[in-house]
Amino acid sequence: AQSVSQHNHHVILSEAASLELGCNYSYGGTVNLFWYVQYPGQHLQLLLKYFSGDPLVKGIKGFEAEFIKSKFSFNLRKPSVQWSDTAEYFCAVKKGGGADGLTFGKGTHLIIQP
Amino acid sequence: DGGITQSPKYLFRKEGQNVTLSCEQNLNHDAMYWYRQDPGQGLRLIYYSQIVNDFQKGDIAEGYSVSREKKESFPLTVTSAQKNPTAFYLCASSITGQNSPLHFGNGTRLTVT
Repeated sequence: AQSVSQHNHHVILSEAASLELGCNYSYGGTVNLFWYVQYPGQHLQLLLKYFSGDPLVKGIKGFEAEFIKSKFSFNLRKPSVQWSDTAEYFCAVKKGGGADGLTFGKGTHLIIQP
Repeated sequence: DGGITQSPKYLFRKEGQNVTLSCEQNLNHDAMYWYRQDPGQGLRLIYYSQIVNDFQKGDIAEGYSVSREKKESFPLTVTSAQKNPTAFYLCASSITGQNSPLHFGNGTRLTVT
């Protein structure tokens, strides 16, 4: 069974700091990769996704992620975080061509201090 | 406005009672999903359905049941057999096909005492 690992469960940063959240997955075949965000009291929203092509994908709110196939990784980055980025972030994987939903990591709780 | 509606937002039940959580979508999506979210555990898939009158077990289906009589609706029943039912339950939908992200509802927080 495929699995998704997010390296940090809690991250605390100051505003304007750079962010990188790690995500590794275990499935060896073709995958679709996602990052979702859950702001306090809100529903899960899609930040960005990778299906094919350019391994560097850009999402909403200045976030980007890089797919490195050789490392089975899909790390999320943002050059300069804001207080409003405080949220829980989930990495998710879908097997290419699969119809059985997403496998999620356990999430990273990000707190941005003003 | 298209979206996914989960109701109620908060639900309280006594141990030993079955309870049904509602999920309705007007996005015309074929696929629907139920996830359970627990602190520090991320989201785990309970059941999913790719088409009306068909559904499959996810990773943690024991103690749950679902039905898919209509495309728009995918109710989840938490039965008394579920050993640890208190959790946050999220419903999602998507178009079928590999390049399709999931759209999530706002969730139902179930507390069983």
